Order: sequence, then structure tokens, then C-alpha cells
Amino acid sequence: QVQLVQSGSELKKPGASVKVSCKASGYTFTSYAMNWVRQAPGHGLELMGWINTNTGHPTYAQGFTGRFVFSLDTSVNTAYLQISSLKAEDTAVYYCASFVEMATIRTPYWGQGTLVTVSS
Amino acid sequence: EIVLTQSPGTLSLSPGERATLSCRASQSVSSSYLAWYQQKPGQALRLLIYGASSRATGIPDRFSGSGSGTDFTLTISRLEPEDFAVYYCQQYGSSPLTFGGGTKVEIK
Repeated sequence: QVQLVQSGSELKKPGASVKVSCKASGYTFTSYAMNWVRQAPGHGLELMGWINTNTGHPTYAQGFTGRFVFSLDTSVNTAYLQISSLKAEDTAVYYCASFVEMATIRTPYWGQGTLVTVSS
Repeated sequence: EIVLTQSPGTLSLSPGERATLSCRASQSVSSSYLAWYQQKPGQALRLLIYGASSRATGIPDRFSGSGSGTDFTLTISRLEPEDFAVYYCQQYGSSPLTFGGGTKVEIK
């Protein structure tokens, strides 16, 4: 079965960096883009962008350029989100999500979310 | 990009009542690739419905999705205590993915 398993919660100081992983299984990893979604405390869902898992080309949504980097390691079917120069306002749950065609219909699959807390 | 507008913002109902949540898109959602999610405080998203009307694995049949084009509905036929939560719609037929702002279903 399709699974996206994310790395665990992180507590970081302002100015530090964090790398969140999302390991996929149960489907052909390089056939479907991997999306990253942010949910800040008390807020809704915000698309950060996605990465083409075939070419490695990332696309960043407005507001997520500069300090945010999407990457892949296709040898272990894993996508990564790296955030540098962390700020308090980066405190959020970060989700990876892919939309995989199963029995002729594209089906959403999400990771369990990774809480990143930025605090001094 | 497709803008999704959910209504109402808050729905106050009693257990046993029927809940009807609306999600309206600014343009037609391709292939009815519209999903509904439930979220409780401190918990991850739970996929309820995908493809506008297909229930995800393990979702009770009191949850149903309908609609096509620009108008979609999530119906909870009889609210159970565990159904009081925030519900989001999402379209994944066109890039970029977009989300509605959510409907909170609260106990009256």
C-alpha cells in the first residue's frame, strides 16, 4: 500500500536550519510529483510548492522562495524539505503529499506531518 | 489558480443532525479531482473523500461527497460526537493544488 512517512518533530533555534524527510513506498516514486504543504498554528493549509520526482525540478509557491529548498534521493524514494535561517514564524506542521493514480483515479496520499518549532 | 470557497465558516449542530458543507470553485475542477479532509485539534489531516465522491479506506458511510464542475458538497448524514472538527476541501485536478479555508463543525 502507498505510504508517505515523514521524519519526526524538530525544535530549532532562530537562524538554524532544518531538513524534513518524506519516504515514499508502495508506488513508483518518480512517476508523481511530491508536494509540500505548510500549516501554521491555528491556520489553514498552504501549498509551499512541489518537486518533479522524475527530473528533480522544484517549483516554489509565492512566499516560499530563497530559504526553502526541495530535493530528492531517488535511490531511497525520499523527498526532502530544507528550511534555512529559521524564524519564529516558520513554526508549523509541514506535510508532504502525492497524488497517485490507483485504479484509474488519482488518489491523495499524505505524510503524517512534521512539527517544526522555532524558539530560542 | 483555482480558488476554493467553503461555506459556512462555522456550522453549529447537535449530534444526530445532518451536516451539509459546501465547497465552490472559481473554475471547473478537472476530472472532479476534489478531496475532503477532516482535522481535529493537534491531529494530522484525515482524508475522507477523493475524486469528489469516493470514500477513503475506513471512512464510515455517513460521510458522502457529491458534485462536479464548480460546486461540491460534503454531507455527514448523522453527526457522531467524534465528527466535530474542521473540514477542508482541496482540488488536485489543476496545478497548483489549492485548498478551501475550512468549515468548523461545532457542537450546538
